[in-house]
Amino acid sequence: RKEVEQDPGPFNVPEGATVAFNCTYSNSASQSFFWYRQDCRKEPKLLMSVYSSGNEDGRFTAQLNRASQYISLLIRDSKLSDSATYLCVVYDSWGKLQFGAGTQVVVTP
Amino acid sequence: GAGVSQSPSNKVTEKGKDVELRCDPISGHTALYWYRQSLGQGLEFLIYFQGNSAPDKSGLPSDRFSAERTGGSVSTLTIQRTQQEDSAVYLCASSFAHGETQYFGPGTRLLVL
Repeated sequence: RKEVEQDPGPFNVPEGATVAFNCTYSNSASQSFFWYRQDCRKEPKLLMSVYSSGNEDGRFTAQLNRASQYISLLIRDSKLSDSATYLCVVYDSWGKLQFGAGTQVVVTP
Repeated sequence: GAGVSQSPSNKVTEKGKDVELRCDPISGHTALYWYRQSLGQGLEFLIYFQGNSAPDKSGLPSDRFSAERTGGSVSTLTIQRTQQEDSAVYLCASSFAHGETQYFGPGTRLLVL
Protein backbone atom coordinates (compact mmCIF):
# COMPACT_ATOMS: atom_id res chain seq x y z
CA ARG A 1 0.00 0.00 0.00
CA LYS A 2 1.28 3.45 -0.87
CA GLU A 3 2.01 5.92 1.92
CA VAL A 4 -0.06 8.62 0.24
CA GLU A 5 -2.89 7.80 -2.14
CA GLN A 6 -4.93 9.98 -4.44
CA ASP A 7 -7.68 9.32 -6.93
CA PRO A 8 -5.92 9.98 -10.24
CA GLY A 9 -9.12 11.28 -11.88
CA PRO A 10 -9.62 12.97 -14.19
CA PHE A 11 -12.33 14.99 -12.53
CA ASN A 12 -14.21 16.71 -15.36
CA VAL A 13 -15.78 19.83 -13.94
CA PRO A 14 -17.98 22.37 -15.71
CA GLU A 15 -16.78 25.92 -15.39
CA GLY A 16 -18.31 27.52 -12.30
CA ALA A 17 -18.96 24.24 -10.53
CA THR A 18 -17.42 22.95 -7.32
CA VAL A 19 -15.06 20.00 -7.16
CA ALA A 20 -13.56 18.26 -4.16
CA PHE A 21 -11.16 15.39 -3.77
CA ASN A 22 -9.21 13.69 -1.04
CA CYS A 23 -5.78 12.37 -0.29
CA THR A 24 -5.31 9.57 2.24
CA TYR A 25 -2.14 8.92 4.18
CA SER A 26 -1.06 5.84 6.07
CA ASN A 27 1.15 7.24 8.83
CA SER A 28 -1.04 8.47 11.65
CA ALA A 29 1.82 10.52 13.09
CA SER A 30 2.28 12.62 9.96
CA GLN A 31 3.08 16.21 10.77
CA SER A 32 2.71 18.54 7.81
CA PHE A 33 0.47 18.57 4.80
CA PHE A 34 0.47 20.56 1.60
CA TRP A 35 -1.36 20.80 -1.69
CA TYR A 36 0.69 21.57 -4.81
CA ARG A 37 -0.56 22.05 -8.34
CA GLN A 38 1.32 20.96 -11.39
CA ASP A 39 0.50 22.12 -14.88
CA CYS A 40 1.36 19.96 -17.84
CA ARG A 41 5.12 19.81 -18.37
CA LYS A 42 5.73 22.31 -15.60
CA GLU A 43 7.17 22.03 -12.13
CA PRO A 44 4.91 21.69 -9.06
CA LYS A 45 4.00 24.90 -7.29
CA LEU A 46 2.65 25.30 -3.79
CA LEU A 47 -1.07 25.86 -3.72
CA MET A 48 -1.59 25.90 0.01
CA SER A 49 -0.50 24.40 3.29
CA VAL A 50 -3.09 22.44 5.22
CA TYR A 51 -3.63 23.38 8.83
CA SER A 52 -5.34 21.34 11.53
CA SER A 53 -8.23 23.76 11.73
CA GLY A 54 -8.70 23.84 7.99
CA ASN A 55 -7.91 26.84 5.88
CA GLU A 56 -9.26 28.76 2.96
CA ASP A 57 -7.55 30.76 0.27
CA GLY A 58 -10.00 32.42 -2.05
CA ARG A 59 -11.87 29.72 -3.92
CA PHE A 60 -9.76 26.95 -2.41
CA THR A 61 -10.46 25.23 0.89
CA ALA A 62 -8.24 22.61 2.48
CA GLN A 63 -9.26 20.36 5.34
CA LEU A 64 -7.39 17.87 7.50
CA ASN A 65 -9.15 14.89 9.06
CA ARG A 66 -6.66 13.22 11.39
CA ALA A 67 -9.11 10.62 12.64
CA SER A 68 -9.69 9.26 9.16
CA GLN A 69 -6.22 10.19 7.92
CA TYR A 70 -7.05 12.24 4.90
CA ILE A 71 -6.78 15.76 3.62
CA SER A 72 -9.17 17.31 1.17
CA LEU A 73 -9.16 20.11 -1.35
CA LEU A 74 -12.28 21.87 -2.50
CA ILE A 75 -12.35 24.27 -5.41
CA ARG A 76 -15.39 26.54 -5.73
CA ASP A 77 -16.47 28.43 -8.84
CA SER A 78 -14.00 26.50 -10.99
CA LYS A 79 -12.10 28.41 -13.64
CA LEU A 80 -10.60 27.04 -16.83
CA SER A 81 -7.21 27.96 -15.37
CA ASP A 82 -7.79 25.54 -12.49
CA SER A 83 -7.18 22.64 -14.88
CA ALA A 84 -4.08 20.95 -13.52
CA THR A 85 -2.87 18.01 -11.52
CA TYR A 86 -3.13 18.50 -7.76
CA LEU A 87 -0.46 16.82 -5.69
CA CYS A 88 -0.82 15.95 -2.05
CA VAL A 89 2.35 16.14 0.06
CA VAL A 90 2.76 14.66 3.52
CA TYR A 91 5.68 14.83 5.91
CA ASP A 92 5.60 11.88 8.25
CA SER A 93 6.84 11.73 11.82
CA TRP A 94 10.31 10.66 10.72
CA GLY A 95 10.65 13.61 8.43
CA LYS A 96 10.06 11.50 5.35
CA LEU A 97 8.44 13.34 2.52
CA GLN A 98 5.71 11.56 0.63
CA PHE A 99 4.08 12.79 -2.56
CA GLY A 100 0.81 11.49 -3.89
CA ALA A 101 0.65 10.65 -7.58
CA GLY A 102 -1.78 13.50 -8.16
CA THR A 103 -5.40 14.12 -9.04
CA GLN A 104 -6.11 15.52 -12.46
CA VAL A 105 -8.79 18.18 -12.74
CA VAL A 106 -10.14 19.27 -16.11
CA VAL A 107 -12.43 22.29 -16.11
CA THR A 108 -14.58 22.49 -19.22
CA PRO A 109 -16.33 25.52 -20.73
CA GLY B 1 14.31 37.18 -5.81
CA ALA B 2 15.75 34.34 -7.83
CA GLY B 3 14.06 30.99 -7.64
CA VAL B 4 15.53 27.53 -7.95
CA SER B 5 17.43 27.10 -11.17
CA GLN B 6 18.48 23.92 -12.90
CA SER B 7 20.77 23.17 -15.78
CA PRO B 8 20.70 21.98 -18.41
CA SER B 9 17.03 22.36 -19.19
CA ASN B 10 17.24 19.47 -21.64
CA LYS B 11 19.79 16.72 -22.03
CA VAL B 12 19.97 14.01 -24.68
CA THR B 13 22.55 11.33 -24.14
CA GLU B 14 23.44 7.89 -25.34
CA LYS B 15 22.93 4.79 -23.29
CA GLY B 16 25.98 4.07 -21.16
CA LYS B 17 27.17 7.66 -20.88
CA ASP B 18 27.37 9.57 -17.61
CA VAL B 19 25.37 12.75 -17.05
CA GLU B 20 25.52 15.53 -14.47
CA LEU B 21 22.53 17.64 -13.57
CA ARG B 22 22.90 20.84 -11.62
CA CYS B 23 20.65 22.60 -9.14
CA ASP B 24 21.05 26.08 -7.67
CA PRO B 25 18.70 26.42 -4.70
CA ILE B 26 17.20 29.60 -3.36
CA SER B 27 19.80 31.45 -1.34
CA GLY B 28 19.49 30.70 2.36
CA HIS B 29 17.53 27.48 1.92
CA THR B 30 19.10 24.73 3.97
CA ALA B 31 17.15 21.81 2.52
CA LEU B 32 17.54 20.61 -1.07
CA TYR B 33 15.67 17.75 -2.73
CA TRP B 34 15.96 15.79 -5.96
CA TYR B 35 12.98 14.08 -7.57
CA ARG B 36 12.34 12.20 -10.75
CA GLN B 37 9.13 12.32 -12.73
CA SER B 38 8.48 10.01 -15.62
CA LEU B 39 5.93 10.96 -18.27
CA GLY B 40 2.45 10.95 -16.79
CA GLN B 41 3.67 9.72 -13.43
CA GLY B 42 3.95 11.20 -9.96
CA LEU B 43 7.09 12.50 -8.32
CA GLU B 44 9.63 9.95 -7.17
CA PHE B 45 11.80 11.12 -4.29
CA LEU B 46 15.50 10.50 -4.86
CA ILE B 47 17.58 12.24 -2.21
CA TYR B 48 17.57 15.21 0.11
CA PHE B 49 20.17 17.31 1.88
CA GLN B 50 19.55 19.21 5.09
CA GLY B 51 22.29 21.56 6.20
CA ASN B 52 25.45 19.70 7.13
CA SER B 53 23.65 16.46 8.00
CA ALA B 54 24.25 13.28 6.08
CA PRO B 55 21.90 13.20 3.09
CA ASP B 56 18.89 10.93 2.99
CA LYS B 57 19.67 8.73 -0.01
CA SER B 58 16.84 6.30 0.54
CA GLY B 59 15.15 7.11 -2.76
CA LEU B 60 18.08 6.57 -5.10
CA PRO B 61 17.05 3.73 -7.44
CA SER B 62 20.50 2.23 -7.91
CA ASP B 63 24.17 2.81 -7.20
CA ARG B 64 24.47 4.46 -10.60
CA PHE B 65 22.84 7.49 -9.03
CA SER B 66 24.70 9.83 -6.70
CA ALA B 67 24.42 13.40 -5.59
CA GLU B 68 26.48 15.90 -3.73
CA ARG B 69 25.93 19.34 -2.37
CA THR B 70 28.96 21.55 -2.14
CA GLY B 71 29.22 24.32 0.41
CA GLY B 72 25.61 23.87 1.41
CA SER B 73 24.44 25.43 -1.82
CA VAL B 74 24.72 24.04 -5.34
CA SER B 75 23.94 20.37 -5.84
CA THR B 76 24.87 17.98 -8.61
CA LEU B 77 23.02 14.77 -9.41
CA THR B 78 25.15 12.30 -11.34
CA ILE B 79 23.84 9.32 -13.24
CA GLN B 80 26.50 6.90 -14.38
CA ARG B 81 26.12 4.47 -17.28
CA THR B 82 22.71 5.84 -18.18
CA GLN B 83 19.94 3.49 -19.20
CA GLN B 84 16.85 4.21 -21.27
CA GLU B 85 14.66 3.85 -18.20
CA ASP B 86 16.50 6.82 -16.69
CA SER B 87 14.70 9.07 -19.17
CA ALA B 88 12.54 11.43 -17.12
CA VAL B 89 12.29 14.95 -15.81
CA TYR B 90 14.61 15.51 -12.88
CA LEU B 91 13.28 18.14 -10.52
CA CYS B 92 15.13 19.92 -7.78
CA ALA B 93 13.45 21.74 -4.92
CA SER B 94 14.65 23.71 -1.94
CA SER B 95 13.09 24.85 1.29
CA PHE B 96 14.12 27.08 4.15
CA ALA B 97 14.19 23.98 6.34
CA HIS B 98 13.06 20.39 5.99
CA GLY B 99 9.32 20.15 6.46
CA GLU B 100 8.60 23.60 5.11
CA THR B 101 7.30 24.73 1.75
CA GLN B 102 9.36 23.47 -1.15
CA TYR B 103 10.05 25.57 -4.19
CA PHE B 104 10.76 23.69 -7.36
CA GLY B 105 13.08 24.42 -10.21
CA PRO B 106 11.94 24.04 -13.83
CA GLY B 107 13.53 20.61 -14.12
CA THR B 108 15.96 18.93 -16.48
CA ARG B 109 14.41 16.75 -19.17
CA LEU B 110 16.72 13.81 -19.70
CA LEU B 111 16.38 11.56 -22.72
CA VAL B 112 18.58 8.49 -22.96
CA LEU B 113 18.73 7.04 -26.45
